[in-house]
Amino acid sequence: DAKTTQPNSMESNEEEPVHLPCNHSTISGTDYIHWYRQLPSQGPEYVIHGLTSNVNNRMASLAIAEDRKSSTLILHRATLRDAAVYYCILRDVQYAYSGAGSYQLTFGKGTKLSVIP
Amino acid sequence: DVKVTQSSRYLVKRTGEKVFLECVQDMDHENMFWYRQDPGLGLRLIYFSYDVKMKEKGDIPEGYSVSREKKERFSLILESASTNQTSMYLCASSFRDEQFFGPGTRLTVL
Repeated sequence: DAKTTQPNSMESNEEEPVHLPCNHSTISGTDYIHWYRQLPSQGPEYVIHGLTSNVNNRMASLAIAEDRKSSTLILHRATLRDAAVYYCILRDVQYAYSGAGSYQLTFGKGTKLSVIP
Repeated sequence: DVKVTQSSRYLVKRTGEKVFLECVQDMDHENMFWYRQDPGLGLRLIYFSYDVKMKEKGDIPEGYSVSREKKERFSLILESASTNQTSMYLCASSFRDEQFFGPGTRLTVL
C-alpha cells in the first residue's frame, strides 16, 4: 500500500492561512488523495479529496503536485475550531464502487494542528 | 445531515464480560466500519460490512465479531473482554467517497 508522510505537529496563528503538507512518493496512478480531520473528543470528519487537479470546497483547498508525489491541504483562514489532527490518506480508485473493501481508509498518525489566538 | 450514532460514549466492563457496541446510521449507506483508536497507533480497522449479513475482517479482527442484521445497524461484539481491548471505538458508514464517523465509545475493561 502506498504510504503517506506528514509532520507530527504544526502551529498557526488564528485568521492566518495554514498549509498542511503530505508526501506520498509511492502513490500509484489510481490512488485518490483524501483528507480527514479529527477534532478533540470527536470522530474523524471528511475534509476534501482529489485525484490530479486542485480541489476547493467550503472547508479547504487541496493542492496536488504535478507529479502527484505530494499534496497540500490549505485552510485559508485558521480558526480555533480548526485545531485538530489532520490525516492524509490514499485510497485506490480502482476499487471504488466495487463493493467489498472499496471504501477502506488506512489512517496514519496525522498532523496535530494547534491554532494560537 | 448524515448521522451516525453509537450506543454509549463511555462504557466500563469487567474482564471476561461479553460486550456489545451498537452503531446506527440514518442515510441508507451500504458500507459500515468499526475502528479502534489508540494513542500512538492511530485508527485501525477491525471489521467492515458492505451489505446486510455481509462482513469482512479488517486489520485487527482477533477478539472481535460483528453483526449486521439490518442495513442501518452494525454491532461490534467482544465475546470475552480483555484489558487490552480498552480503547476508543469508532463506527463509520460510507457512500462512495466519504466516510461518516460516529462520536466514538470509550471502553474501559477492568
